[in-house]
Amino acid sequence: GQNIDQPTEMTATEGAIVQINCTYQTSGFNGLFWYQQHAGEAPTFLSYNVLDGLEEKGRFSSFLSRSKGYSYLLLKELQMKDSASYLCAVMDSNYQLIWGAGTKLIIKP
Amino acid sequence: GAVVSQHPSRVICKSGTSVKIECRSLDFQATTMFWYRQFPKQSLMLMATSNEGSKATYEQGVEKDKFLINHASLTLSTLTVTSAHPEDSSFYICSARSSLVTEAFFGQGTRLTVV
Repeated sequence: GQNIDQPTEMTATEGAIVQINCTYQTSGFNGLFWYQQHAGEAPTFLSYNVLDGLEEKGRFSSFLSRSKGYSYLLLKELQMKDSASYLCAVMDSNYQLIWGAGTKLIIKP
Repeated sequence: GAVVSQHPSRVICKSGTSVKIECRSLDFQATTMFWYRQFPKQSLMLMATSNEGSKATYEQGVEKDKFLINHASLTLSTLTVTSAHPEDSSFYICSARSSLVTEAFFGQGTRLTVV
């Protein structure tokens, strides 16, 4: 079966760095996405990785290792507004998105 | 990024009535649209995938006669919840993708409450 695993909840301090991990087992791979979702709102796109390595976008970076079925989202200089759920999703061989359950990130002052 | 507009953002309806939710891609042609529902503190659940001009493909367990999806143009898809019941109360979200890019863009979501 297809499976995406990510931690349910994480807590971090304002100004710090946090890494949210995602492991996956899917039928085929056409890329991995990270989305941010604030409570009561729709997800917003953060990043897309299809090749191994690190993609950096401002305070957010995303890493992919296809051989390990592993990705992480790194958030630097955390701000209170970063409190949200972070969803990992993998596009399978049929170009369908398989979603993780999301990681709720709580930022404390 | 591309803009997907979903309307209405919130709707309250009486049990037994039908509700239509619209999803529009404003600045690109959406060859594929996805409809999700999300219960509180749970992940997105894909309901159906629709390609422009074709019948929607429904996920297992989703009643196609209850959740009517129409994708008649490259910029508009609609989801109609027919004969709504309180258990249909949920957050419904559409996303759209063109054939030119990989990522899908989400609408703002619709909070449906059936009373």
